[in-house]
This record gives sequence, C-alpha cells and structure tokens, in this order.
Amino acid sequence: QVQLVQSGPEVKRPGASLKVSCKSSGYSFTDYHITWVRQAPGQGLEWMGWISTDSGDTNYAQKFQGRVTMTAESSTNTTYMELRGLTSDDTAIYFCTRGSSSCDSWGQGSLVTVSS
Amino acid sequence: DAVLTQSPLSLPVNLGQPASISCRSSQSLVYSNGVTFLNWFHQRPGQSPRRLIYKVSIRDSGVPDRFSGSGSDTNFTLKISGVEAEDVGVYYCMQATHWPVTFGQGTKVEIK
Repeated sequence: QVQLVQSGPEVKRPGASLKVSCKSSGYSFTDYHITWVRQAPGQGLEWMGWISTDSGDTNYAQKFQGRVTMTAESSTNTTYMELRGLTSDDTAIYFCTRGSSSCDSWGQGSLVTVSS
Repeated sequence: DAVLTQSPLSLPVNLGQPASISCRSSQSLVYSNGVTFLNWFHQRPGQSPRRLIYKVSIRDSGVPDRFSGSGSDTNFTLKISGVEAEDVGVYYCMQATHWPVTFGQGTKVEIK
C-alpha cells in the first residue's frame, strides 16, 4: 500500500534552517509529484509547493520563494523540503502528500518548533 | 488567488442526522480541459488529512457512501447523509485548478 513516512520532530532556533524528509513506498516514486503542506498550531492547511520526482521541477508558493528548496532522490524514493531563515511563525506540522493536485495519500506529519 | 470560503465554520450535529458543508470559490474552478479540481479532506484531531472526494464528486476507495460531493463552477457541497461518531473533525475543501493551490478555512464537525 502507498505510504509516506516523514522524519521526526525537530526544535530549531530562529534564523536556523530545517530539512524534513518524506520517504515514499508502495508505488512508482517518479510517477507522482510530492506536495508539501503545513499547518500551524490550531490553524488550517497551507500549500507550500510541489516537486516533480521525475524531472526535479519545482513550483513554490510565492510566500516561500527564496526561502524553500524541495528536492527528490529517486535512489531512495525520498523527497526533502528545506526551509531557511526560520521564525516563530514557521512553527507548524509539515506534511508531504502525493500528487500535485490529487493529494491522495499523506505522510504522518513532522512537527517543527521554532523557539529561542 | 482562488479564495475558498467554507460555511459553516462550526457544525454541531446529532448522531444519525445529515450534515452539509459549503465551499464557495472566488473564481470558477473549471480548468481549461473541462475538469474541476476540487477535493474534500477530513482531518481528525492529531491525524493527517485524509482525502474523501476528488474532482468534485468522486469518492475515494474505502470512503463510506454516506459522504457525497456535488457542485460546479464556484459552488460546491459536501454532504454526510447520517453523521456517525467517527465523522467528527475538521473538513477542508481544496482547489488545484488555479495556482497557487488553496484550501478553505475548515469546518469543524462535532456531535451535539
């Protein structure tokens, strides 16, 4: 069955960078984009962007452009999302999900806390 | 951006009673190929979202048939024919017709 398994929780200082991983299994990795979505505490879902796991092409939300980098490693079926220049507003659960428009399967989420 | 406005934001329902959630878009969600990329998700507390419905009305595998999606253009609805205890949580609509992908604010369903 399709599974997306994400890296564990992290605590970061303001100004630091975070890198969350998402390992896919149960399907052909390069057949689907991976989308990243985040959810601040008690808030709704926010689309961050996607990466084509086949070509490496990316499409980022304007809000994160210049601060986010998504990469994909087909040898390990793993996608990464790096976010730089962290502030307390980046405290959130970060989800990876399969597909650029379908979002049919989701990772378990990675809690990132930004605190001094 | 295509702004999705859900209503109501809070929906207390008695067990077994129907529930309906509206999702209205600031722009038509019909893509140039005629497909409407409007999905519905359910998120239980402490869990990841789960997709229920895609392309307006297609139910995902394993989703009970008490869930149905309908609508067109800018107005969409998710209906639960008879709410069960496991249906509590927050429901989100999402559009992927226009860049950027956007979500509704969420509707919290609880049992009265």
